[in-house]
Amino acid sequence: EVHLVESGGDLVQPGGSLRLSCAASGFTFSNYGMNWVRQAPGKGLECVSYISSSSSIIYYADSVKGRFTISRDNAKNSLYLQMNSLRAEDTAVYYCTRGRDVVYWGQGTLVTVSS
Amino acid sequence: DIVMTQTPLSSPVTLGQSASISCRSSQSLVHSDGNTYLSWLQQRPGQPPTLLIYKISNRLSGVPDRFSGSGAGTDFTLKIGRVGGEDVGIYYCMQATQWPWTFGQGTKVEIK
Repeated sequence: EVHLVESGGDLVQPGGSLRLSCAASGFTFSNYGMNWVRQAPGKGLECVSYISSSSSIIYYADSVKGRFTISRDNAKNSLYLQMNSLRAEDTAVYYCTRGRDVVYWGQGTLVTVSS
Repeated sequence: DIVMTQTPLSSPVTLGQSASISCRSSQSLVHSDGNTYLSWLQQRPGQPPTLLIYKISNRLSGVPDRFSGSGAGTDFTLKIGRVGGEDVGIYYCMQATQWPWTFGQGTKVEIK
């Protein structure tokens, strides 16, 4: 059974940093591209970053470009999102999802940016 | 960016009746690899989204066959047959043909 488990969400002050992690199991992690998708409270869905299976292709949404860095460790079946210079508008639940078809989603981790 | 426009945004449905949600993209979703990366997701209240259908019409294993997807190019439809209480939630279309992947605004399905 496929599992994606996010962690690392927290309350952080504006300008601060956080590192999110996603532990994957139940499938061959190194075969799939992965995404980070976020959902602000009461709002819709926004895909903030994508990384291909070998990390050769990386995309960022304009809203996070230059502040967030996606990475993965295929040996550890893990996906990461380093978030710097956080803003109030980054407050959201962050989900990791598998592939372009977003077949599998984690339960999400809440990031709150507030003073 | 490709804009995904869903209609209606709210769909009150009588139990046992069907519902239909339309999703229109601002550009063709046919990828150069021949696939059309159009998915439908369900988000029940207080839960993360879950995938129902991918590549227009492929139901994920375990998804009831009451859910069906159709369409091509820029126009897509999700149909829910015999709506039950467990179908209440927000439904999103999503394209992953061109970065950034983008979502529709969501359609709230509720029971009348």
